[in-house]
Amino acid sequence: QKEVEQNSGPLSVPEGAIASLNCTYSDRGSQSFFWYRQYSGKSPELIMSIYSNGDKEDGRFTAQLNKASQYVSLLIRDSQPSDSATYLCARGGSSGGTSYGKLTFGQGTILTVHP
Amino acid sequence: DTGVSQDPRHKITKRGQNVTFRCDPISEHNRLYWYRQTLGQGPEFLTYFQNEAQLEKSRLLSDRFSAERPKGSFSTLEIQRTEQGDSAMYLCASSPMPGRGTPGETQYFGPGTRLLVL
Repeated sequence: QKEVEQNSGPLSVPEGAIASLNCTYSDRGSQSFFWYRQYSGKSPELIMSIYSNGDKEDGRFTAQLNKASQYVSLLIRDSQPSDSATYLCARGGSSGGTSYGKLTFGQGTILTVHP
Repeated sequence: DTGVSQDPRHKITKRGQNVTFRCDPISEHNRLYWYRQTLGQGPEFLTYFQNEAQLEKSRLLSDRFSAERPKGSFSTLEIQRTEQGDSAMYLCASSPMPGRGTPGETQYFGPGTRLLVL
């Protein structure tokens, strides 16, 4: 089982729709989770971090975390063509509830928003 | 520009040559990370520093790879005797120390160095 797994893509949505990106993780001790966006040929750019169960909203983006189900998601409302990119889910390292070091990434989901 | 910077941005080398990459983190960040990313995959952790101390190294970091952060500021990643399998994007990221009670620290990535080994 991969440590961080993202729903297989690519995902294609029409402009203005809601895009839903999902991620599961295997380490129950994980405390911190991150969504990054990566345009082709560029480096990852942070969208959101989430640490607590529930929803966290930032503009058109909402991250959802369910630690019991070991599940993280990202919703993008009113999707725009400029949102077309690869979305990376990552979990922070953890040990006994203490964060350390590295991020472990999923393989990414390619999102295409078509006009 | 106060973001993470990396140099060079692109490097083409022949198999067997040595290459060195540099990363300058965000100035107040005391943690610095190296990752490697190949096409269609997420970044894979290589190693990280807290100040000048190298705290963790991945099994991916073979003995041909070495990283340093001598004064706790910039870092270098050297690959000796490059192989075609080393072709990838090498990403550097930095973060502040997490505060007490903060479960994680956000890492900010540089633009990456794209390595092609012929």
